Amino acid sequence: AQSVTQLDSQVPVFEEAPVELRCNYSSSVSVYLFWYVQYPNQGLQLLLKYLSGSTLVKGINGFEAEFNKSQTSFHLRKPSVHISDTAEYFCAVSRIFGNEKLTFGTGTRLTIIP
Amino acid sequence: GAVVSQHPSWVICKSGTSVKIECRSLDFQATTMFWYRQFPKQSLMLMATSNEGSKATYEQGVEKDKFLINHASLTLSTLTVTSAHPEDSSFYICSAPGQANMNTEAFFGQGTRLTVV
Repeated sequence: AQSVTQLDSQVPVFEEAPVELRCNYSSSVSVYLFWYVQYPNQGLQLLLKYLSGSTLVKGINGFEAEFNKSQTSFHLRKPSVHISDTAEYFCAVSRIFGNEKLTFGTGTRLTIIP
Repeated sequence: GAVVSQHPSWVICKSGTSVKIECRSLDFQATTMFWYRQFPKQSLMLMATSNEGSKATYEQGVEKDKFLINHASLTLSTLTVTSAHPEDSSFYICSAPGQANMNTEAFFGQGTRLTVV
C-alpha cells in the first residue's frame, strides 16, 4: 500500500515570495508522483508529475518539484507566488501500472497575503 | 485533452431521498472510473472503482448498498447515494484513470457538492 504525508495543512505566504509545499510518501513498490491544485468547489487540475528521468519536474503556472528517492520526498516549489495561487494543493502517488488509482495526501492550503 | 464531465455540480436534497451523480467521458472511452469523496478540509478518499460491464469494487468501509455505482457504457458511470443522510454531505469527484506509463494523467470531473438537509 502507498501513503502520502503533507505535513503542512496551511501555508501563508506573502505575494511575490517563494514557497515550498512539502510532500513525503511511503511505498513498497515504485510509484509515480503528482501534484494537483484545487480551487474552491472545483475539481482537480494537474500541476505536474514525475514518471521517470530527470528528478526536477517543471509544471504549469511556474511550479516545479523535485523527486528525492532517498528521502522519499516530492516537494513543490514556486520562486514567486501570486494572489491567484491561493488554493488547496494535493500531493498524490500511484503505482506504475495502467489504470491505477491515486492515493492523496491530506492537502495544503496555500494562502497568499497581499 | 480528454474531458470528464460531471453533473450536477451541486445538489441539495432532503434526508431520506436518493441522488444520482453522472460522470461522462466526452471524447474517450473509459472502461474504469474512480469515485472519490472529499469531506470539508480533508483529502480525497477513494470510495469505489466502477468497471464497465461488471460490478464495482468498493473500498473498505464504503457501503455498497448505499452508494450504488453503475457503469452502463464506456462513456457513462453513475453514483447514486440512496437514502441520503446529513452525514453523506460531501464533495464527490469522479476520475478516469490515466495511463501514467504512457504519459497520460488521470482526468477529473468538476465535482458534485452534495448537501443533505
